[in-house]
Amino acid sequence: DTGVSQDPRHKITKRGQNVTFRCDPISEHNRLYWYRQTLGQGPEFLTYFQNEAQLEKSRLLSDRFSAERPKGSFSTLEIQRTEQGDSAMYLCASSISTDTQYFGPGTRLTVL
Amino acid sequence: GENVEQHPSTLSVQEGDSAVIKCTYSDSASNYFPWYKQELGKGPQLIIDIRSNVGEKKDQRIAVTLNKTAKHFSLHITETQPEDSAVYFCAASAGGTSYGKLTFGQGTILTVHP
Repeated sequence: DTGVSQDPRHKITKRGQNVTFRCDPISEHNRLYWYRQTLGQGPEFLTYFQNEAQLEKSRLLSDRFSAERPKGSFSTLEIQRTEQGDSAMYLCASSISTDTQYFGPGTRLTVL
Repeated sequence: GENVEQHPSTLSVQEGDSAVIKCTYSDSASNYFPWYKQELGKGPQLIIDIRSNVGEKKDQRIAVTLNKTAKHFSLHITETQPEDSAVYFCAASAGGTSYGKLTFGQGTILTVHP
Protein backbone atom coordinates (compact mmCIF):
# COMPACT_ATOMS: atom_id res chain seq x y z
CA ASP A 1 0.00 0.00 0.00
CA THR A 2 1.63 3.24 -1.19
CA GLY A 3 -0.74 5.54 0.68
CA VAL A 4 -2.51 6.71 -2.49
CA SER A 5 -6.15 5.64 -2.47
CA GLN A 6 -8.67 5.58 -5.29
CA ASP A 7 -12.41 5.13 -5.25
CA PRO A 8 -14.21 3.21 -6.59
CA ARG A 9 -11.95 0.29 -7.44
CA HIS A 10 -14.32 -0.95 -10.12
CA LYS A 11 -17.02 0.82 -12.10
CA ILE A 12 -19.36 -0.68 -14.69
CA THR A 13 -21.48 1.77 -16.62
CA LYS A 14 -23.56 1.94 -19.75
CA ARG A 15 -22.46 3.89 -22.80
CA GLY A 16 -23.55 7.52 -22.56
CA GLN A 17 -23.52 7.70 -18.77
CA ASN A 18 -21.28 10.01 -16.75
CA VAL A 19 -18.78 8.64 -14.23
CA THR A 20 -16.57 10.26 -11.60
CA PHE A 21 -13.49 8.83 -9.93
CA ARG A 22 -11.73 10.09 -6.82
CA CYS A 23 -8.05 10.03 -5.86
CA ASP A 24 -6.63 10.78 -2.42
CA PRO A 25 -2.87 11.34 -2.66
CA ILE A 26 -0.29 10.82 0.03
CA SER A 27 -0.70 13.56 2.60
CA GLU A 28 1.29 16.72 1.78
CA HIS A 29 2.14 15.55 -1.74
CA ASN A 30 1.71 18.66 -3.86
CA ARG A 31 1.90 16.94 -7.25
CA LEU A 32 -0.89 14.72 -8.56
CA TYR A 33 -1.05 12.87 -11.87
CA TRP A 34 -3.73 10.91 -13.70
CA TYR A 35 -2.80 8.14 -16.12
CA ARG A 36 -4.86 5.70 -18.20
CA GLN A 37 -3.82 2.11 -18.79
CA THR A 38 -5.41 -0.21 -21.34
CA LEU A 39 -4.92 -3.97 -21.33
CA GLY A 40 -1.39 -5.01 -22.20
CA GLN A 41 -0.04 -1.47 -22.35
CA GLY A 42 1.90 0.84 -20.10
CA PRO A 43 0.16 3.75 -18.38
CA GLU A 44 -0.35 6.89 -20.49
CA PHE A 45 -0.26 10.38 -19.02
CA LEU A 46 -3.57 12.27 -18.90
CA THR A 47 -3.14 15.32 -16.71
CA TYR A 48 -1.08 16.89 -13.91
CA PHE A 49 -1.84 19.12 -10.92
CA GLN A 50 0.56 21.11 -8.79
CA ASN A 51 -1.45 21.95 -5.70
CA GLU A 52 -4.84 23.04 -7.10
CA ALA A 53 -3.55 24.23 -10.48
CA GLN A 54 -3.98 21.94 -13.49
CA LEU A 55 -0.76 22.63 -15.38
CA GLU A 56 -0.83 20.15 -18.22
CA LYS A 57 -3.35 18.05 -20.13
CA SER A 58 -2.60 15.36 -22.67
CA ARG A 59 -4.30 15.42 -26.05
CA LEU A 60 -5.74 12.06 -24.92
CA LEU A 61 -7.96 14.07 -22.59
CA SER A 62 -10.87 14.91 -24.87
CA ASP A 63 -13.46 17.54 -23.96
CA ARG A 64 -15.54 14.76 -22.38
CA PHE A 65 -12.93 14.46 -19.64
CA SER A 66 -12.49 16.94 -16.82
CA ALA A 67 -10.33 16.82 -13.73
CA GLU A 68 -10.25 18.94 -10.61
CA ARG A 69 -8.24 19.28 -7.44
CA PRO A 70 -10.23 21.95 -5.62
CA LYS A 71 -8.23 22.37 -2.43
CA GLY A 72 -4.95 20.91 -3.52
CA SER A 73 -5.68 17.65 -1.74
CA PHE A 74 -7.94 15.02 -3.34
CA SER A 75 -8.72 15.03 -7.05
CA THR A 76 -11.65 13.92 -9.18
CA LEU A 77 -11.71 12.76 -12.79
CA GLU A 78 -15.06 12.91 -14.57
CA ILE A 79 -15.90 11.33 -17.90
CA GLN A 80 -19.09 12.53 -19.57
CA ARG A 81 -21.05 10.55 -22.15
CA THR A 82 -18.85 7.49 -21.75
CA GLU A 83 -17.89 5.45 -24.80
CA GLN A 84 -16.71 1.85 -25.02
CA GLY A 85 -13.24 3.11 -25.87
CA ASP A 86 -13.06 4.69 -22.41
CA SER A 87 -12.85 1.23 -20.83
CA ALA A 88 -9.48 1.14 -19.09
CA MET A 89 -7.73 1.32 -15.73
CA TYR A 90 -7.49 4.90 -14.48
CA LEU A 91 -4.46 5.41 -12.26
CA CYS A 92 -3.60 8.25 -9.93
CA ALA A 93 -0.08 9.01 -8.71
CA SER A 94 1.33 11.60 -6.34
CA SER A 95 4.74 13.03 -5.55
CA ILE A 96 6.28 15.75 -3.41
CA SER A 97 8.24 18.10 -5.64
CA THR A 98 10.47 15.27 -6.79
CA ASP A 99 10.35 12.85 -9.67
CA THR A 100 9.32 9.85 -7.59
CA GLN A 101 5.67 9.04 -8.20
CA TYR A 102 3.64 6.66 -6.07
CA PHE A 103 0.64 5.06 -7.69
CA GLY A 104 -2.73 4.13 -6.28
CA PRO A 105 -4.49 0.82 -6.97
CA GLY A 106 -6.46 2.27 -9.87
CA THR A 107 -10.12 2.37 -10.87
CA ARG A 108 -11.14 -0.22 -13.46
CA LEU A 109 -13.82 1.23 -15.76
CA THR A 110 -15.94 -0.99 -17.98
CA VAL A 111 -18.32 0.69 -20.41
CA LEU A 112 -21.01 -1.62 -21.78
CA GLY B 1 7.63 13.92 -27.36
CA GLU B 2 9.38 11.13 -25.52
CA ASN B 3 9.15 7.56 -26.80
CA VAL B 4 10.21 4.57 -24.68
CA GLU B 5 10.75 1.12 -26.17
CA GLN B 6 10.98 -1.93 -23.90
CA HIS B 7 12.23 -5.46 -24.63
CA PRO B 8 11.50 -8.29 -24.34
CA SER B 9 7.71 -8.32 -24.08
CA THR B 10 7.80 -11.66 -22.26
CA LEU B 11 10.59 -13.30 -20.27
CA SER B 12 10.55 -16.76 -18.74
CA VAL B 13 13.32 -17.89 -16.35
CA GLN B 14 13.98 -20.62 -13.82
CA GLU B 15 14.08 -19.76 -10.15
CA GLY B 16 17.56 -18.61 -9.21
CA ASP B 17 18.44 -17.37 -12.70
CA SER B 18 18.97 -13.72 -13.59
CA ALA B 19 16.55 -11.63 -15.62
CA VAL B 20 17.42 -8.59 -17.72
CA ILE B 21 14.94 -6.11 -19.24
CA LYS B 22 16.10 -3.35 -21.56
CA CYS B 23 14.64 0.03 -22.50
CA THR B 24 15.60 2.77 -24.91
CA TYR B 25 14.36 6.35 -24.91
CA SER B 26 14.32 9.09 -27.51
CA ASP B 27 14.38 12.43 -25.65
CA SER B 28 17.91 13.44 -24.66
CA ALA B 29 16.39 15.79 -22.07
CA SER B 30 15.10 12.82 -20.03
CA ASN B 31 16.90 12.65 -16.72
CA TYR B 32 14.87 10.32 -14.49
CA PHE B 33 14.26 6.62 -15.11
CA PRO B 34 12.08 4.58 -12.73
CA TRP B 35 11.10 0.93 -12.91
CA TYR B 36 7.71 -0.29 -11.73
CA LYS B 37 6.38 -3.75 -10.94
CA GLN B 38 2.68 -4.36 -11.50
CA GLU B 39 0.80 -7.38 -10.24
CA LEU B 40 -2.59 -8.39 -11.56
CA GLY B 41 -5.33 -5.97 -10.54
CA LYS B 42 -2.94 -3.61 -8.74
CA GLY B 43 -1.32 -0.28 -9.44
CA PRO B 44 2.35 -0.01 -10.45
CA GLN B 45 4.80 -0.29 -7.55
CA LEU B 46 8.11 1.57 -7.73
CA ILE B 47 10.99 -0.88 -7.29
CA ILE B 48 14.04 1.19 -8.22
CA ASP B 49 14.89 4.42 -10.02
CA ILE B 50 17.96 6.15 -11.37
CA ARG B 51 18.82 9.71 -12.25
CA SER B 52 20.97 10.82 -15.15
CA ASN B 53 24.00 11.73 -13.03
CA VAL B 54 24.43 8.09 -11.98
CA GLY B 55 25.43 5.13 -14.16
CA GLU B 56 24.33 2.28 -11.91
CA LYS B 57 22.26 1.73 -8.80
CA LYS B 58 21.70 -1.43 -6.73
CA ASP B 59 19.15 -2.44 -4.15
CA GLN B 60 19.66 -6.00 -2.91
CA ARG B 61 18.78 -8.32 -5.85
CA ILE B 62 17.78 -5.47 -8.17
CA ALA B 63 20.07 -3.19 -10.16
CA VAL B 64 19.57 -0.61 -12.87
CA THR B 65 22.18 0.64 -15.34
CA LEU B 66 21.99 3.76 -17.47
CA ASN B 67 23.89 4.67 -20.64
CA LYS B 68 22.98 8.26 -21.48
CA THR B 69 25.11 8.33 -24.63
CA ALA B 70 23.26 5.37 -26.11
CA LYS B 71 19.95 6.40 -24.49
CA HIS B 72 19.27 3.06 -22.93
CA PHE B 73 18.79 1.67 -19.44
CA SER B 74 18.33 -1.83 -18.10
CA LEU B 75 16.85 -3.64 -15.11
CA HIS B 76 18.75 -6.61 -13.70
CA ILE B 77 17.17 -9.03 -11.23
CA THR B 78 19.46 -11.67 -9.75
CA GLU B 79 18.50 -14.87 -7.93
CA THR B 80 14.94 -14.64 -9.20
CA GLN B 81 12.12 -15.99 -7.06
CA PRO B 82 8.55 -17.00 -8.04
CA GLU B 83 7.23 -13.89 -6.29
CA ASP B 84 9.17 -11.78 -8.81
CA SER B 85 6.64 -12.90 -11.44
CA ALA B 86 4.75 -9.80 -12.58
CA VAL B 87 4.68 -7.17 -15.33
CA TYR B 88 7.61 -4.76 -15.24
CA PHE B 89 7.51 -1.29 -16.76
CA CYS B 90 10.32 1.13 -17.44
CA ALA B 91 9.62 4.85 -17.72
CA ALA B 92 11.39 8.11 -18.48
CA SER B 93 10.80 11.68 -17.43
CA ALA B 94 12.38 14.94 -18.54
CA GLY B 95 11.44 16.99 -15.49
CA GLY B 96 11.43 20.75 -16.11
CA THR B 97 8.56 21.86 -18.32
CA SER B 98 7.35 18.26 -18.64
CA TYR B 99 6.35 18.51 -14.94
CA GLY B 100 7.75 15.09 -14.27
CA LYS B 101 5.17 13.23 -16.33
CA LEU B 102 6.27 9.70 -17.02
CA THR B 103 6.40 8.04 -20.44
CA PHE B 104 6.19 4.27 -20.02
CA GLY B 105 7.44 1.35 -22.06
CA GLN B 106 5.07 -1.38 -23.20
CA GLY B 107 5.87 -3.71 -20.32
CA THR B 108 7.59 -7.08 -19.85
CA ILE B 109 5.73 -10.08 -18.46
CA LEU B 110 8.25 -11.90 -16.26
CA THR B 111 7.51 -15.49 -15.27
CA VAL B 112 9.78 -17.24 -12.77
CA HIS B 113 9.31 -21.01 -12.75
CA PRO B 114 9.94 -22.84 -9.44
